Amino acid sequence: SQQGEEDPQALSIQEGENATMNCSYKTSINNLQWYRQNSGRGLVHLILIRSNEREKHSGRLRVTLDTSKKSSSLLITASRAADTASYFCATHYTGANSKLTFGKGITLSVRP
Amino acid sequence: DAGVTQSPTHLIKTRGQHVTLRCSPISGHKSVSWYQQVLGQGPQFIFQYYEKEERGRGNFPDRFSARQFPNYSSELNVNALLLGDSALYLCASRRTSGNADSYEQYFGPGTRLTVT
Repeated sequence: SQQGEEDPQALSIQEGENATMNCSYKTSINNLQWYRQNSGRGLVHLILIRSNEREKHSGRLRVTLDTSKKSSSLLITASRAADTASYFCATHYTGANSKLTFGKGITLSVRP
Repeated sequence: DAGVTQSPTHLIKTRGQHVTLRCSPISGHKSVSWYQQVLGQGPQFIFQYYEKEERGRGNFPDRFSARQFPNYSSELNVNALLLGDSALYLCASRRTSGNADSYEQYFGPGTRLTVT
């Protein structure tokens, strides 16, 4: 079963607006990662946040983690048409070696 | 450096047949994982191999098997194909250094398998 659940399932915004995507998970984690997937091809790693971190930034990306609520959010600021893709959160829990547990993903459409 | 490569890109097979998918990790990466992604879903973990040994297995039937070679490339084999095996099969490699940031995985472009 898929541990992470993202919401919303689909998001449509105008270029230049911010996009916020949320992820909830069920068990204790080592870290949480966000990936992007274009047109059903390979996934691209965006950002990793460890269980002892609360916020992390990378370029236009900001991710937060609330372990008490078992949730994370990904904020993309000043979105561009090229940000149109599917976004997945993936959890890695202690003892799982390389296993990542993915949610179903969020489809983001950025209108020019 | 070259990224993770997978072959073939696309594959069409008939029910009951066997398929072999191949993956070459990023140079220096010793850990390879396989994921299955059905249309509209997130990837599901199938196997992880590290130093040629299986280190993790997902909830998949014994029809699925894999191995890793001395050069760290890997093969995923699926026997007695079913229609439900139609999916994108993704390979990912990871640098293993004990640093938490090495949990980042690098994915290949995938192999699109269609079973008819």
